This record gives sequence, structure tokens and C-alpha cells, in this order.
Amino acid sequence: GDSVTQMEGPVTLSEEAFLTINCTYTATGYPSLFWYVQYPGEGLQLLLKATKADDKGSNKGFEATYRKETTSFHLEKGSVQVSDSAVYFCASEGDDYKLSFGAGTTVTVRA
Amino acid sequence: GAGVSQTPSNKVTEKGKYVELRCDPISGHTALYWYRQSLGQGPEFLIYFQGTGAADDSGLPNDRFFAVRPEGSVSTLKIQRTERGDSAVYLCASSAMSGFLAGTLGEQYFGPGTRLTVT
Repeated sequence: GDSVTQMEGPVTLSEEAFLTINCTYTATGYPSLFWYVQYPGEGLQLLLKATKADDKGSNKGFEATYRKETTSFHLEKGSVQVSDSAVYFCASEGDDYKLSFGAGTTVTVRA
Repeated sequence: GAGVSQTPSNKVTEKGKYVELRCDPISGHTALYWYRQSLGQGPEFLIYFQGTGAADDSGLPNDRFFAVRPEGSVSTLKIQRTERGDSAVYLCASSAMSGFLAGTLGEQYFGPGTRLTVT
């Protein structure tokens, strides 16, 4: 079945630092790819998505590009803020409409 | 509008007991999903409803787990003879549509989850 592997955390950064979280997927066919975020005390929220190769998803300063050749969907942000502290999940969705999630990466941004 | 809601937010039960977890999806959403998230892990798929019927229950771990959605809206996840290994956060999500034509309408919106602890 489909699976997602993402960079293990935790990751601790200073404000305005560059953030990257690696994510690779295995799938039959051409899945849609997602990044979800879980802020402290809140539920999972969709951060961004891409539905086909070379698509770039972006939101709140975060970006990720669907790379079919490397089966990757790495998340990046050029300048993080304290409010970006959260757990980030990479996920894929195949033709079966089920989301397959990575284990999550905890990001802490210090002022 | 109101998002996905789940009740209770926390449930503590003794090993061997029966529990029911409830999910109220976003009004009008026809697709409903249950996931389970163990500590330090990402959510894992349990079951997916399209309307009243379970379209895919391949993620249910065993026959102690059962879910219903009798009127195509609210869903209940039922766990019989609970075991300590069932302790996890149970997440519900809903989407307006499913299928490869769903596009943005297929986005899954998650509830806050029910934290189940089996002692």
C-alpha cells in the first residue's frame, strides 16, 4: 500500500531561520500529496497540497513541490516564527481516498 | 460554519469494557473517515463511509471494532472488549465528495479527536 516517510524530529529553530522537513512517498499510481499541521491543543489542519507532478502547494509562507522523479514533497519556509511551532504531517492520498500519514515532525521555534 | 465535532473529548475506560465514540461531520458532507493516532505516530486509516454505507473498512484492526452511520450524517465508532493497546486518539474527518473528480471538494476536514485511555 501507499506509505509516507518524513524526517524525524524534533526540530528546534530560532525565529527567522529556514525550515525544511523532508518527505518521501511510495505509491502505485499518482497520489495527491498534503502537508497537515497540528498546533498545540488543536486538531489537524490542511496546510497545503499538490495533486500532480511539478505542482507547488503554498500557504502561510510554506511551500512544497511535488517531485515525481524523486518521489518527494519536502516542506520549506524561508523565515519561521514562534507561531509556526507545531507538529507537521506529510500525507498521500491515492485512488482509494484514504490518507496515509508520516509519523509527524515536531517543530519548535524559539524567539 | 461549524466544523467536525467529536464527543467525548476524553474517555477513560477499563480493559474489557465497551465504548462508543461519536463524530458529527460538517453539514452536507457525504464522505466520513475514521483514523486512529497512537502516541508519536501519524494517523492511521480505519474506515471510510460514503453516505450510509461503509465503502472501505480495511483499516479496522479486528472484529472488536465496528462503525455505523445510519442516517448518512453522524457516525459512531464502537469498540468492544477494549484492550490497553486500543489507547489512542481517534480522529474523524469529513469531506464534501470523494473520488478522482472531487478536486477541492474532496479535502478532508478533521475533528479535534477523542483521546481514549484503556486502563
